[in-house]
Amino acid sequence: GNSVTQMEGPVTLSEEAFLTINCTYTATGYPSLFWYVQYPGEGLQLLLKATKADDKGSNKGFEATYRKETTSFHLEKGSVQVSDSAVYFCALSPDMDSNYQLIWGAGTKLIIKP
Amino acid sequence: SQTIHQWPATLVQPVGSPLSLECTVEGTSNPNLYWYRQAAGRGLQLLFYSVGIGQISSEVPQNLSASRPQDRQFILSSKKLLLSDSGFYLCAWSGGYGGYTFGSGTRLTVV
Repeated sequence: GNSVTQMEGPVTLSEEAFLTINCTYTATGYPSLFWYVQYPGEGLQLLLKATKADDKGSNKGFEATYRKETTSFHLEKGSVQVSDSAVYFCALSPDMDSNYQLIWGAGTKLIIKP
Repeated sequence: SQTIHQWPATLVQPVGSPLSLECTVEGTSNPNLYWYRQAAGRGLQLLFYSVGIGQISSEVPQNLSASRPQDRQFILSSKKLLLSDSGFYLCAWSGGYGGYTFGSGTRLTVV
């Protein structure tokens, strides 16, 4: 079946540190992969996505590369800011064409200290 | 452009009272619509999804129900709230690119 596994949080970093949040998946076929961000008290926002192997999604300084050989989609940012503090969710869509439900990771809370 | 509206933003209701949360989408037609619940500090739990008017699929048996009376309207209801219904409720729609657009959420506290 399809599943998404994220590293457990919270992840606590100092401002300007390098960030990696691990995400691995299991899926049949060729899923699309997503990262969503949820700031305190708000709904989720799409951060970035990748629809095929070796694609790199990027937005707001965050990047993630779709690695089919390692079934991973790790989120990275070179220099985090306090404003990046949020919960980050990795997700996959089993079929790009059919509006299937997203399969969600449990979320990773990121805390950035000044 | 497509937008999604969800209301109210916060709600405090007594145990045993009814519930109605509304979600509407603008700028698209025949979207897939979803209701999620997020307990404090927890991940997302899919409650209901709908692929068309009057078509509702329930993922988790519970005290809640959903309806889709119009193409771009999705309603979450309960006849009698329980304490365990407290949480953050999120509506979302899917427009065909495989990703979701979420509403801003409703914080429900049952007292």
